[in-house]
Amino acid sequence: AQKITQTQPGMFVQEKEAVTLDCTYDTSDPSYGLFWYKQPSSGEMIFLIYQGSYDQQNATEGRYSLNFQKARKSANLVISASQLGDSAMYFCAMREVQTGANNLFFGTGTRLTVIP
Amino acid sequence: DGGITQSPKYLFRKEGQNVTLSCEQNLNHDAMYWYRQDPGQGLRLIYYSQIVNDFQKGDIAEGYSVSREKKESFPLTVTSAQKNPTAFYLCASSIGRREGRDEQFFGPGTRLTVL
Repeated sequence: AQKITQTQPGMFVQEKEAVTLDCTYDTSDPSYGLFWYKQPSSGEMIFLIYQGSYDQQNATEGRYSLNFQKARKSANLVISASQLGDSAMYFCAMREVQTGANNLFFGTGTRLTVIP
Repeated sequence: DGGITQSPKYLFRKEGQNVTLSCEQNLNHDAMYWYRQDPGQGLRLIYYSQIVNDFQKGDIAEGYSVSREKKESFPLTVTSAQKNPTAFYLCASSIGRREGRDEQFFGPGTRLTVL
């Protein structure tokens, strides 16, 4: 089974509007972390935001926030006030603590296009 | 400036040849990782190392080899046994915390093409 599922291959948003990118995950580990990365056309992966499974509040980092719904196993990324520079691929990833390894499991990504 | 460097940016290889991709970090991170990305796909883990002189296979290690002789360096060799090596290769590093936030920082990647 896929550990991370991103069901939106592509999304469009008008500049200055907010957009939500979906991510659902599957794990039996009670302790895990969820990450979002941005990949511009240059290819480098840029870390955006982190949510721990035991965190009580939704994570926020500037214009990025995470809508964490633990019972539904979803961790959707919300980008507010979209900018042209937000056009990129966005990947959701998960790390399971009990495995003892720090590696990440990635989803297949969502391509976001910001329209002027 | 602290960061991760990968070289070369583009690499062309003939079938049957081994090739080594370089990854260096000056972030003083203990853990390092190699991922492979195919077009339209997410990243898949090839190998990772949590400490010098130790490394573990990831999900798709067949046809690849690594070494970790220095904390700063984690080179990846793509051998002739790798059936379909054309891909984008990304190296990453992290502090290596066992729990909690341990975000990985990525290099700019190497695009390997087999001719």
